[in-house]
Amino acid sequence: DQQVKQNSPSLSVQEGRISILNCDYTNSMFDYFLWYKKYPAEGPTFLISISSIKDKNEDGRFTVFLNKSAKHLSLHIVPSQPGDSAVYFCAPHAGNNRKLIWGLGTSLAVNP
Amino acid sequence: NAGVMQNPRHLVRRRGQEARLRCSPMKGHSHVYWYRQLPEEGLKFMVYLQKENIIDESGMPKERFSAEFPKEGPSILRIQQVVRGDSAAYFCASSEGLVGDTQYFGPGTRLTVL
Repeated sequence: DQQVKQNSPSLSVQEGRISILNCDYTNSMFDYFLWYKKYPAEGPTFLISISSIKDKNEDGRFTVFLNKSAKHLSLHIVPSQPGDSAVYFCAPHAGNNRKLIWGLGTSLAVNP
Repeated sequence: NAGVMQNPRHLVRRRGQEARLRCSPMKGHSHVYWYRQLPEEGLKFMVYLQKENIIDESGMPKERFSAEFPKEGPSILRIQQVVRGDSAAYFCASSEGLVGDTQYFGPGTRLTVL
């Protein structure tokens, strides 16, 4: 039973354009949603998070949108840069239950 | 300010041997988490520890796996009598332990069982 789904295994965009990565979840108890970026043979790097009491959070080129009624969130990267090429993971958790539940990731390729 | 440290980065064991993976959390962090990533899969939670306490071990296999986070020193994930299916990347994360806080990850230990 996969609680977190990232339905696009891969995404390719041109440098300078917007990258949109999507994540759907089934557990309505999730109240914190984190996005991580991961390069091969390295650990995940935290990017940005959002609490369930918000619908948008922005940090530089990264914006996360949360639609609780649809149980859907998305990460927008604009403008995309070649260095953004990595695998992106959506990882929510539910309040005091701190274990992060991970999607399978979306591999983003930003082409120069 | 050093990040989360894990060692060794690579570990090779033969079937039946023991594997010990170490994790030093970020300075000021008293909460440690272990995750495992099997080949071609996403990360899966294993265990959550505070100093000298296991808070949640719901993701730990019932046998051969154990974890500790002593008062002094790093957190240790111990796998006894390793089997080929234990080959994976093991990641440690740490956090301050506040509600909604961020978990910061180490570089991982890649365990290969021959």
